[in-house]
Order: sequence, then structure tokens, then C-alpha cells
Amino acid sequence: AQSVTQLGSHVSVSEGALVLLRCNYSSSVPPYLFWYVQYPNQGLQLLLKYTSAATLVKGINGFEAEFKKSETSFHLTKPSAHMSDAAEYFCAVMDYGGSQGNLIFGKGTKLSVKP
Amino acid sequence: SQTIHQWPATLVQPVGSPLSLECTVEGTSNPNLYWYRQAAGRGLQLLFYSVGIGQISSEVPQNLSASRPQDRQFILSSKKLLLSDSGFYLCAWSLTGLQYFGPGTRLTVT
Repeated sequence: AQSVTQLGSHVSVSEGALVLLRCNYSSSVPPYLFWYVQYPNQGLQLLLKYTSAATLVKGINGFEAEFKKSETSFHLTKPSAHMSDAAEYFCAVMDYGGSQGNLIFGKGTKLSVKP
Repeated sequence: SQTIHQWPATLVQPVGSPLSLECTVEGTSNPNLYWYRQAAGRGLQLLFYSVGIGQISSEVPQNLSASRPQDRQFILSSKKLLLSDSGFYLCAWSLTGLQYFGPGTRLTVT
């Protein structure tokens, strides 16, 4: 069965600093992986997805993630944080063994950006 | 293009009252539909999903139910709300595994 672990429920960075949000997955088959962002009181918005093509995936708002099979990781990065990046970020893996390709979400990491 | 709507946006209901939340999708046919709940500190919990009209799968036993009376309409209901039903309810749709989320409904049970 697939699973996702996000290390750190809260991450705080200064404006202009590197953003690194960690995600490790468990999957017995090549995974499809996703990062979503949620701004306060809004739905989730897709940032980027990995579907077994290039291992470095570029998304919206300057974010990117690298799929590392040897480390079973899919960490999200952004070189320079902006105040508008403050939000909650969710990593997800597609659930092949379960229900019709549903997504399994991590518990989320709340990103704070200090001026 | 596809859009997903949820209403109401916010709702305050007393314990023991009924609930009906609605989700509709435009611009696609026969999508998979999902209801999730976010409660404080508990991440994103999948409640129900549907692969077609009248086909509902429940992921978590509780006092909530879901129905899909039309292809692009998904309804979340309860006959009697509990305090623990408070949270942020999200509807999502999918065709190829990639899920697209609605704006959510904030439910407060008092």
C-alpha cells in the first residue's frame, strides 16, 4: 500500500530564503506523486506532479520538486521565499491498491514566511 | 474549461440539526467525485468517493452520508450533526487521477 510522510508540520523561513518542504513516500509500484498548496479558507491547488517522466518537476509559482527513487523522496523547493508563499502544502501519492486511483495525502506542512 | 462549485461557503449549525452540502462540476462528464474533511490538526480525510451516478463508497464510518443524484452533482448529508462534524469540507473531481478541488465549505457545529 502507498503512503506519504511529510516531515515537519510547521516550517518557518525568512523572505528570500530557500524553501524546503520534505515528503517521503512508500510505494510498491512506480508512484505518481503530487504537491498541492492550500491558502487559508480555500481549496487545494495543484503545484506540480510527477508521473514517471523527468525526475525534476517544475511547477507554478517558482516551485519545483525532485523525485529520488533511492531516497523515496519528493521534496518541494523554491530558491527564494516570498510572503505570498505562506500557506499549507500537501504531498500526495496515487493509491493504486485502493480505491479507483484515489490520492493518499500527507498531513501537510504549514509554511510561514517572515519579513 | 472545468469548474467546481461548492455551497454554502460557510455554515453554522446546532448539534442535532440536519446537514446538506452540495458540490457541482461543470465542463466534464462522468468524473470521479470526492468529499474530504479537514479538522484541526488532522490533515485531509477522505470521506466518500463516487465513480458514477448512485455509486458511493465510504472510507470512514460516521454519521455522514453522500449521494450522487446526477453525473456532476455530489451531496454530503447528515440527519443529526455532532460537534465533531465541525471542519472544512472539500469536494474534488478527477478523470485521470489528478484531483481538482472546490473552494470548500466551513462548517461549525455549535
